[in-house]
Amino acid sequence: DTGVSQDPRHKITKRGQNVTFRCDPISEHNRLYWYRQTLGQGPEFLTYFQNEAQLEKSRLLSDRFSAERPKGSFSTLEIQRTEQGDSAMYLCASSLGAISSGELFFGEGSRLTVL
Amino acid sequence: KQEVTQIPAALSVPEGENLVLNCSFTDSAIYNLQWFRQDPGKGLTSLLLIQSSQREQTSGRLNASLDKSSGRSTLYIAASQPGDSATYLCAVSGNTPLVFGKGTRLSVIA
Repeated sequence: DTGVSQDPRHKITKRGQNVTFRCDPISEHNRLYWYRQTLGQGPEFLTYFQNEAQLEKSRLLSDRFSAERPKGSFSTLEIQRTEQGDSAMYLCASSLGAISSGELFFGEGSRLTVL
Repeated sequence: KQEVTQIPAALSVPEGENLVLNCSFTDSAIYNLQWFRQDPGKGLTSLLLIQSSQREQTSGRLNASLDKSSGRSTLYIAASQPGDSATYLCAVSGNTPLVFGKGTRLSVIA
């Protein structure tokens, strides 16, 4: 088991372009989370999946953001028409079991810079 | 809305010193509390998970306590080392997924 894997690790794009991040959770983990972290702040919750079902979305997740987890395995987070304010570290985490007990394990993150 | 506060925001100590990091949360209806370590530009590494029914957890030189009724947790680091330098984040899980504090940036000076 190699832990939570995220790709790409770094992405530089121009404003208005679309970007997609991929997360591969720890195998057999049923829950997958996306968080966003800006400099000097703690991670902020974006959305999470239980298997393939997207159960909750933060108000931070505007219409330009979409996340999927087909077949309950890997997940993608797409940002359309990127803005400079989207520049941040996008973190993925996974856990096993109920939300009330599961320990979250994070990946190394995908750093987005929008020019 | 759950809010998590960590004090101090930054801390610098000489090597070998014992230290305490503080975390407080506003809604005591939590399932668990988790402490993480984050190195610059990296992801989060889970250090300790305390379930709401537990009072403390220990791992090596780390000890975390939880007082759910007062909304407080502490992370105790014994005999600090330069390799402990990092940002330490506290997060609580309740009816919503993990809510994080802003972290305490720790520097251990050799």
